[in-house]
Amino acid sequence: DTGVSQDPRHKITKRGQNVTFRCDPISEHNRLYWYRQTLGQGPEFLTYFQNEAQLEKSRLLSDRFSAERPKGSFSTLEIQRTEQGDSAMYLCASSFRAGMNTEAFFGQGTRLTVV
Amino acid sequence: AQSVAQPEDQVNVAEGNPLTVKCTYSVSGNPFLFWYVQYPNRGLQFLLKYITGDNLVKGSYGFEAEFNKSQTSFHLKKPSALVSDSALYFCAVRDINTDKLIFGTGTRLQVFP
Repeated sequence: DTGVSQDPRHKITKRGQNVTFRCDPISEHNRLYWYRQTLGQGPEFLTYFQNEAQLEKSRLLSDRFSAERPKGSFSTLEIQRTEQGDSAMYLCASSFRAGMNTEAFFGQGTRLTVV
Repeated sequence: AQSVAQPEDQVNVAEGNPLTVKCTYSVSGNPFLFWYVQYPNRGLQFLLKYITGDNLVKGSYGFEAEFNKSQTSFHLKKPSALVSDSALYFCAVRDINTDKLIFGTGTRLQVFP
């Protein structure tokens, strides 16, 4: 296992179209996180899963955004009716929740451009 | 609410010189602090973390960070900078319940030959 994998790496879409991103976490990791990073900013938390349960969603996650993690393995993030403001890098991270001494590992991200 | 601040947008240093990238935090309770590095068009790579124990934490690629409770700081340091260290550095604090990370705005490190 080589780490967290995200697909696609880049996505260009027209405004109003739907897009879906996929994240494959490190296999034994039970927590999976989605973040969004815009130019010049630090990553901002969107949502996270523990196994298949989505436990928290940020206020940044409008109704057009939905995330799933069926069977507690890979996760998908869908954006419906994309807007230019959705253009950003979408980062996925995973970790194994076992005490305090853990860290999250990030994928390389999916860069979304809405034109 | 937990937060971290990175007061410098950019740090410039000559190769071979020591470097410091600053971070201050604001949390209630004990902080769990992290440094990540991001190279262009890449995800974040974990450098080091402070959970408990020694105030001087050693991490990857020769980096270290000093936890200072009285100054609420967690500055990233390296004794001798390399040109290849040029990248974007993020300080983060971890939420104790969800483990989500709250990031600073980042500091761009530029190491000149």
